[in-house]
Amino acid sequence: EPEVTQTPSHQVTQMGQEVILRCVPISNHLYFYWYRQILGQKVEFLVSFYNNEISEKSEIFDDQFSVERPDGSNFTLKIRSTKLEDSAMYFCASRSITSGSLGNEQFFGPGTRLTVL
Amino acid sequence: GENVEQHPSTLSVQEGDSAVIKCTYSDSASNYFPWYKQELGKGPQLIIDIRSNVGEKKDQRIAVTLNKTAKHFSLHITETQPEDSAVYFCAARGYSSASKIIFGSGTRLSIRP
Repeated sequence: EPEVTQTPSHQVTQMGQEVILRCVPISNHLYFYWYRQILGQKVEFLVSFYNNEISEKSEIFDDQFSVERPDGSNFTLKIRSTKLEDSAMYFCASRSITSGSLGNEQFFGPGTRLTVL
Repeated sequence: GENVEQHPSTLSVQEGDSAVIKCTYSDSASNYFPWYKQELGKGPQLIIDIRSNVGEKKDQRIAVTLNKTAKHFSLHITETQPEDSAVYFCAARGYSSASKIIFGSGTRLSIRP
């Protein structure tokens, strides 16, 4: 069964450093998303991406964040200068373009745990 | 803004009993309501979903109900089993199928043997 994969599973970084979180969405999917989950809190939307551009972003997704689809398979989230409060689990998700009920589901990856020291 | 409220935050039921989790949403334009199960160390996994033109949907031991007028929706798990223990999230999505998903705060369900 196809699945979303994410690397690394755990990233530890120093405050102020740049990090890049990587995701490989399901191959025929065209909508891509990043969410984050601070420990013990709800999953929060960060950004959605379609047709090589951002479709929607939340207030959390400020100028320190960027997303990119550098090739036909990867989807990345970059945090330019990490802050302590960026420590969270980051989930990538993807969705197909199929209309109807089959196209509704966003498939989530296993997440990358980011720890900022 | 858009918000999804979820109750209870923790729920403990005896194996074999039923579990009910309730959610409310604020955006009347929401038309798709997925439920996710999150096991330790994993991402959210869709277990059932319901669209706004349907009042109820069932899949084996899991059922969801939706009251669009009251903006309430609920998850019902019958004949609970130990493997049902996990965190469950309700969620709502806006009118556009590409829209973000707004998650509830989660319910930690524990099944007592």
